[in-house]
Amino acid sequence: TQLLEQSPQFLSIQEGENLTVYCNSSSVFSSLQWYRQEPGEGPVLLVTVVTGGEVKKLKRLTFQFGDARKDSSLHITAAQTGDTGLYLCAGGPLISNFGNEKLTFGTGTRLTIIP
Amino acid sequence: EAGVAQSPRYKIIEKRQSVAFWCNPISGHATLYWYQQILGQGPKLLIQFQNNGVVDDSQLPKDRFSAERLKGVDSTLKIQPAKLEDSAVYLCASRGAYSNEKLFFGSGTQLSVL
Repeated sequence: TQLLEQSPQFLSIQEGENLTVYCNSSSVFSSLQWYRQEPGEGPVLLVTVVTGGEVKKLKRLTFQFGDARKDSSLHITAAQTGDTGLYLCAGGPLISNFGNEKLTFGTGTRLTIIP
Repeated sequence: EAGVAQSPRYKIIEKRQSVAFWCNPISGHATLYWYQQILGQGPKLLIQFQNNGVVDDSQLPKDRFSAERLKGVDSTLKIQPAKLEDSAVYLCASRGAYSNEKLFFGSGTQLSVL
Protein backbone atom coordinates (compact mmCIF):
# COMPACT_ATOMS: atom_id res chain seq x y z
CA THR A 1 0.00 0.00 0.00
CA GLN A 2 1.38 3.38 -0.99
CA LEU A 3 1.14 5.99 1.76
CA LEU A 4 1.62 9.74 1.51
CA GLU A 5 2.36 11.62 4.69
CA GLN A 6 1.88 15.37 4.71
CA SER A 7 3.41 17.81 7.15
CA PRO A 8 2.57 19.81 9.00
CA GLN A 9 -0.95 18.58 9.63
CA PHE A 10 -2.06 22.07 10.68
CA LEU A 11 -0.47 25.43 9.91
CA SER A 12 -1.66 28.85 10.95
CA ILE A 13 0.32 31.91 9.87
CA GLN A 14 -0.10 35.63 9.39
CA GLU A 15 -0.98 37.11 6.04
CA GLY A 16 2.16 38.06 4.11
CA GLU A 17 4.35 35.29 5.52
CA ASN A 18 5.86 32.45 3.51
CA LEU A 19 5.25 28.78 4.13
CA THR A 20 6.12 25.32 2.88
CA VAL A 21 4.16 22.11 3.20
CA TYR A 22 5.59 18.69 2.50
CA CYS A 23 4.38 15.43 1.04
CA ASN A 24 6.52 12.35 1.66
CA SER A 25 6.38 8.68 0.82
CA SER A 26 8.60 5.62 0.75
CA SER A 27 7.07 4.72 -2.62
CA VAL A 28 7.92 6.05 -6.04
CA PHE A 29 5.13 7.76 -7.96
CA SER A 30 4.74 8.35 -11.68
CA SER A 31 3.17 11.73 -11.00
CA LEU A 32 2.24 13.90 -8.08
CA GLN A 33 -0.75 16.20 -7.90
CA TRP A 34 -1.63 18.97 -5.48
CA TYR A 35 -5.20 19.90 -4.66
CA ARG A 36 -6.82 22.61 -2.53
CA GLN A 37 -10.12 21.89 -0.83
CA GLU A 38 -12.31 24.57 0.73
CA PRO A 39 -14.97 23.80 3.35
CA GLY A 40 -18.05 22.22 1.84
CA GLU A 41 -16.44 21.71 -1.54
CA GLY A 42 -14.53 18.99 -3.33
CA PRO A 43 -10.78 19.18 -3.97
CA VAL A 44 -9.66 21.30 -6.92
CA LEU A 45 -6.54 20.39 -8.85
CA LEU A 46 -3.75 22.97 -8.62
CA VAL A 47 -0.90 21.28 -10.46
CA THR A 48 0.53 17.98 -11.71
CA VAL A 49 4.26 17.25 -11.70
CA VAL A 50 5.60 14.24 -13.55
CA THR A 51 9.40 14.51 -13.80
CA GLY A 52 11.83 14.02 -10.93
CA GLY A 53 13.23 17.39 -9.90
CA GLU A 54 10.48 19.26 -11.72
CA VAL A 55 9.52 22.70 -10.42
CA LYS A 56 6.27 24.41 -11.40
CA LYS A 57 5.09 27.87 -10.46
CA LEU A 58 1.53 29.04 -10.23
CA LYS A 59 1.58 32.73 -9.29
CA ARG A 60 2.70 32.73 -5.63
CA LEU A 61 2.72 28.92 -5.38
CA THR A 62 5.82 26.87 -6.20
CA PHE A 63 5.59 23.10 -6.48
CA GLN A 64 8.57 20.76 -6.55
CA PHE A 65 8.76 17.03 -7.24
CA GLY A 66 11.67 15.27 -5.57
CA ASP A 67 14.46 13.84 -7.70
CA ALA A 68 13.53 10.29 -6.67
CA ARG A 69 9.81 10.98 -7.22
CA LYS A 70 9.00 10.00 -3.64
CA ASP A 71 8.30 13.43 -2.22
CA SER A 72 7.02 16.87 -3.09
CA SER A 73 6.73 20.31 -1.58
CA LEU A 74 4.45 23.28 -1.97
CA HIS A 75 5.81 26.72 -1.14
CA ILE A 76 3.54 29.76 -0.85
CA THR A 77 5.05 33.22 -0.94
CA ALA A 78 3.33 36.15 0.77
CA ALA A 79 0.31 34.13 1.88
CA GLN A 80 -3.14 35.66 1.49
CA THR A 81 -6.38 34.88 3.30
CA GLY A 82 -7.67 33.33 0.08
CA ASP A 83 -5.00 30.62 0.41
CA THR A 84 -6.81 29.20 3.43
CA GLY A 85 -7.90 25.61 2.87
CA LEU A 86 -6.98 21.94 3.04
CA TYR A 87 -4.02 21.12 0.80
CA LEU A 88 -3.84 17.54 -0.45
CA CYS A 89 -1.14 15.80 -2.39
CA ALA A 90 -2.01 12.74 -4.46
CA GLY A 91 0.30 10.26 -6.12
CA GLY A 92 -0.18 8.25 -9.27
CA PRO A 93 1.16 4.68 -9.26
CA LEU A 94 4.41 3.84 -11.01
CA ILE A 95 2.89 0.93 -12.87
CA SER A 96 -0.72 0.89 -13.93
CA ASN A 97 -2.97 -0.42 -16.61
CA PHE A 98 -4.30 2.13 -19.04
CA GLY A 99 -7.04 4.13 -17.38
CA ASN A 100 -7.06 1.86 -14.35
CA GLU A 101 -4.72 3.76 -12.05
CA LYS A 102 -5.95 5.09 -8.76
CA LEU A 103 -4.61 8.13 -6.98
CA THR A 104 -3.38 7.78 -3.43
CA PHE A 105 -4.23 10.89 -1.44
CA GLY A 106 -2.09 12.27 1.34
CA THR A 107 -3.22 12.99 4.87
CA GLY A 108 -3.67 16.70 4.17
CA THR A 109 -2.40 20.01 5.56
CA ARG A 110 -4.99 22.39 6.91
CA LEU A 111 -3.74 25.92 6.29
CA THR A 112 -5.20 29.00 7.94
CA ILE A 113 -4.04 32.46 6.96
CA ILE A 114 -4.75 35.05 9.62
CA PRO A 115 -5.55 38.57 8.39
CA GLU B 1 -19.39 23.75 -18.44
CA ALA B 2 -21.44 22.04 -15.74
CA GLY B 3 -19.45 20.34 -13.01
CA VAL B 4 -19.96 17.09 -11.18
CA ALA B 5 -23.35 17.17 -9.48
CA GLN B 6 -24.05 15.35 -6.24
CA SER B 7 -27.11 15.04 -4.06
CA PRO B 8 -28.13 15.33 -1.36
CA ARG B 9 -25.66 17.80 0.16
CA TYR B 10 -26.35 16.65 3.68
CA LYS B 11 -27.89 13.55 5.19
CA ILE B 12 -28.47 12.63 8.82
CA ILE B 13 -29.56 9.08 9.63
CA GLU B 14 -29.53 6.72 12.56
CA LYS B 15 -27.27 3.69 12.64
CA ARG B 16 -28.64 0.62 10.90
CA GLN B 17 -30.66 2.77 8.51
CA SER B 18 -30.05 2.86 4.76
CA VAL B 19 -28.90 5.79 2.67
CA ALA B 20 -28.19 6.47 -1.00
CA PHE B 21 -26.13 9.11 -2.72
CA TRP B 22 -26.40 10.20 -6.33
CA CYS B 23 -23.76 11.52 -8.72
CA ASN B 24 -24.03 12.98 -12.22
CA PRO B 25 -20.55 13.31 -13.74
CA ILE B 26 -19.42 15.82 -16.31
CA SER B 27 -20.92 14.98 -19.69
CA GLY B 28 -18.73 12.62 -21.68
CA HIS B 29 -16.53 11.57 -18.77
CA ALA B 30 -15.96 7.84 -18.97
CA THR B 31 -14.33 7.39 -15.57
CA LEU B 32 -16.19 7.92 -12.30
CA TYR B 33 -14.92 7.55 -8.75
CA TRP B 34 -16.51 7.48 -5.32
CA TYR B 35 -14.31 8.59 -2.43
CA GLN B 36 -14.89 8.62 1.31
CA GLN B 37 -13.35 11.52 3.22
CA ILE B 38 -13.39 11.30 6.98
CA LEU B 39 -13.02 14.63 8.78
CA GLY B 40 -9.42 15.80 8.77
CA GLN B 41 -8.20 13.13 6.36
CA GLY B 42 -7.53 12.79 2.67
CA PRO B 43 -10.07 11.10 0.39
CA LYS B 44 -10.03 7.31 0.26
CA LEU B 45 -11.09 5.58 -2.93
CA LEU B 46 -14.13 3.34 -2.57
CA ILE B 47 -14.85 2.39 -6.16
CA GLN B 48 -13.84 3.29 -9.72
CA PHE B 49 -16.03 2.84 -12.80
CA GLN B 50 -14.93 2.93 -16.41
CA ASN B 51 -18.15 3.55 -18.34
CA ASN B 52 -20.58 1.12 -16.64
CA GLY B 53 -17.96 -1.41 -15.55
CA VAL B 54 -16.23 -1.64 -12.18
CA VAL B 55 -12.45 -1.20 -12.45
CA ASP B 56 -11.51 -1.20 -8.77
CA ASP B 57 -13.66 -1.85 -5.73
CA SER B 58 -10.97 -3.34 -3.52
CA GLN B 59 -11.57 -0.84 -0.72
CA LEU B 60 -15.36 -0.93 -0.82
CA PRO B 61 -16.87 -2.62 2.28
CA LYS B 62 -19.05 -4.88 0.20
CA ASP B 63 -21.02 -6.25 3.14
CA ARG B 64 -22.73 -2.88 3.50
CA PHE B 65 -21.75 -0.65 0.57
CA SER B 66 -22.89 -1.03 -3.01
CA ALA B 67 -22.58 1.14 -6.08
CA GLU B 68 -23.80 1.07 -9.62
CA ARG B 69 -23.44 3.09 -12.76
CA LEU B 70 -26.18 1.99 -15.08
CA LYS B 71 -25.80 3.17 -18.70
CA GLY B 72 -22.36 4.55 -17.89
CA VAL B 73 -23.56 7.99 -16.82
CA ASP B 74 -25.16 8.62 -13.40
CA SER B 75 -24.05 6.62 -10.40
CA THR B 76 -25.50 5.79 -7.01
CA LEU B 77 -23.71 4.71 -3.85
CA LYS B 78 -25.71 2.94 -1.16
CA ILE B 79 -24.97 2.05 2.44
CA GLN B 80 -27.11 -0.57 4.13
CA PRO B 81 -27.03 -0.74 7.11
CA ALA B 82 -25.08 2.35 8.15
CA LYS B 83 -22.64 2.35 11.05
CA LEU B 84 -21.39 5.24 13.15
CA GLU B 85 -17.96 5.05 11.47
CA ASP B 86 -19.56 5.73 8.08
CA SER B 87 -19.95 9.38 9.06
CA ALA B 88 -17.93 11.19 6.41
CA VAL B 89 -18.13 13.23 3.24
CA TYR B 90 -18.74 11.11 0.16
CA LEU B 91 -17.15 12.64 -2.90
CA CYS B 92 -17.82 11.78 -6.50
CA ALA B 93 -15.22 12.59 -9.15
CA SER B 94 -15.01 12.13 -12.89
CA ARG B 95 -12.54 12.46 -15.73
CA GLY B 96 -12.14 11.46 -19.34
CA ALA B 97 -10.97 8.03 -20.42
CA TYR B 98 -7.24 8.80 -20.31
CA SER B 99 -5.39 8.59 -17.00
CA ASN B 100 -3.57 11.89 -17.56
CA GLU B 101 -6.79 13.86 -17.80
CA LYS B 102 -7.84 16.25 -15.05
CA LEU B 103 -9.98 14.89 -12.24
CA PHE B 104 -13.05 16.94 -11.29
CA PHE B 105 -14.76 16.54 -7.93
CA GLY B 106 -18.30 17.25 -6.88
CA SER B 107 -19.08 19.15 -3.67
CA GLY B 108 -19.82 15.93 -1.83
CA THR B 109 -22.54 14.58 0.43
CA GLN B 110 -21.91 15.01 4.14
CA LEU B 111 -23.29 12.01 6.00
CA SER B 112 -23.84 11.97 9.74
CA VAL B 113 -24.76 8.64 11.33
CA LEU B 114 -26.19 9.01 14.84
